[in-house]
Amino acid sequence: DADVTQTPRNRITKTGKRIMLECSQTKGHDRMYWYRQDPGLGLRLIYYSFDVKDINKGEISDGYSVSRQAQAKFSLSLESAIPNQTALYFCATSAWTGKGSDTQYFGPGTRLTVL
Amino acid sequence: GENVEQHPSTLSVQEGDSAVIKCTYSDSASNYFPWYKQELGKRPQLIIDIRSNVGEKKDQRIAVTLNKTAKHFSLHITETQPEDSAVYFCAARGLNDKLIFGTGTRLQVFP
Repeated sequence: DADVTQTPRNRITKTGKRIMLECSQTKGHDRMYWYRQDPGLGLRLIYYSFDVKDINKGEISDGYSVSRQAQAKFSLSLESAIPNQTALYFCATSAWTGKGSDTQYFGPGTRLTVL
Repeated sequence: GENVEQHPSTLSVQEGDSAVIKCTYSDSASNYFPWYKQELGKRPQLIIDIRSNVGEKKDQRIAVTLNKTAKHFSLHITETQPEDSAVYFCAARGLNDKLIFGTGTRLQVFP
């Protein structure tokens, strides 16, 4: 979905470096998410934000931090990258419908390699 | 904690056959169950979803069934085609509004 973008698309870095992955959306959604995808493990939630002032940890938040700079922007940081953070990272957005947030729209993904 | 188990992890079928992927969830408060398809090198995209007040939903060749008592839900694809080849993820949403994903099923449809 072209309305959710991620930068960079690919990144190779070294152990100990600080890395920031950025996500932007033009869908006007209030909710944003960061997932990590590893082979055989599916999509695991790192952090999520239901609005600009709301940040919540997901199931695997250790070693990561986030910033919701605006409704349309949600960044994921690795303060000191380690090799087991090598993965495909997806940002997603959804809208509150009054009964919950339904469809999540994913960005194209960022492939991160930590050497 | 909340968990979604998905089986099988891989599934190979002949073109034209049916494919069934099954998921089990642990949170009895879950009320929304989407299925996502991820083609090779692409992002996951929603293909069908079902809410807890419905037992079955169909959309052309795909259908989803939900058994709330057993906490099972399944994806059914009929008349499979090579373009159905992808990884499929089930998910369940609980009261905290987070989606918990299954580990994925790699479906291969052979011509």
